[in-house]
Amino acid sequence: EVQLVQSGAEVKKPGESLRISCMTSGYTFTDYWITWVRQMPGKGLEWMGRIDPSDSYTNYGPSFEGHVTISVDKSIGTAYLQWNSLRASDTAMFFCARLFEVRQYGMDVWGQGTTVIVSS
Amino acid sequence: DIQMTQSPSTLSASVGDRVTITCRASLSISTFLSWYQQKSGKAPKLLIYATSSLQSGVPSRFSGSGSGTHFTLTITSLQPEDFATYYCQQTYSAPDTFGQGTNLEIK
Repeated sequence: EVQLVQSGAEVKKPGESLRISCMTSGYTFTDYWITWVRQMPGKGLEWMGRIDPSDSYTNYGPSFEGHVTISVDKSIGTAYLQWNSLRASDTAMFFCARLFEVRQYGMDVWGQGTTVIVSS
Repeated sequence: DIQMTQSPSTLSASVGDRVTITCRASLSISTFLSWYQQKSGKAPKLLIYATSSLQSGVPSRFSGSGSGTHFTLTITSLQPEDFATYYCQQTYSAPDTFGQGTNLEIK
């Protein structure tokens, strides 16, 4: 069974750093992109960026570039979303999802989501 | 960035109804469009990709059509489990932007 299992909820202070994870299983990790999606409380879905685990090539959405870093560890089939300095406006639910091929396909398997709360 | 606009924002319907949700792109995206269903507090679920390809396991009452800038998601014979929020997403060009969502609620 294909699974994407995300790390647990986090409560952090502004300015702190954070890395959340997306652990995959049941498929060949390097055959699928991993995308990260943000959902702020009561709001819609926002595409943050994606990574090709085979070579770590990344695309970022303009609202997120420079503020977050997407990375992978191929040896353990895990993707990461990282902040060096959190803001209160980063409070949201974050989802990872896999994508077989850019353009032609949709994101067919999703993680359960990770809630991040940033508050002083 | 390509802007995606869904209409309506909220749709009230009854079990058994046929409903259509519209998604418009700010420029042509060919047929590179996906649809997702999200229930409260849960991860989105892929329904349709490439405008009209039904994802494995998704009931055939869901269908998609369109090309260029105008797309539709149609649900025939609504079931109780279909009441949720629906999002379109263009996959033509990064960032792969989503529409703002359509909340399908019970009348």
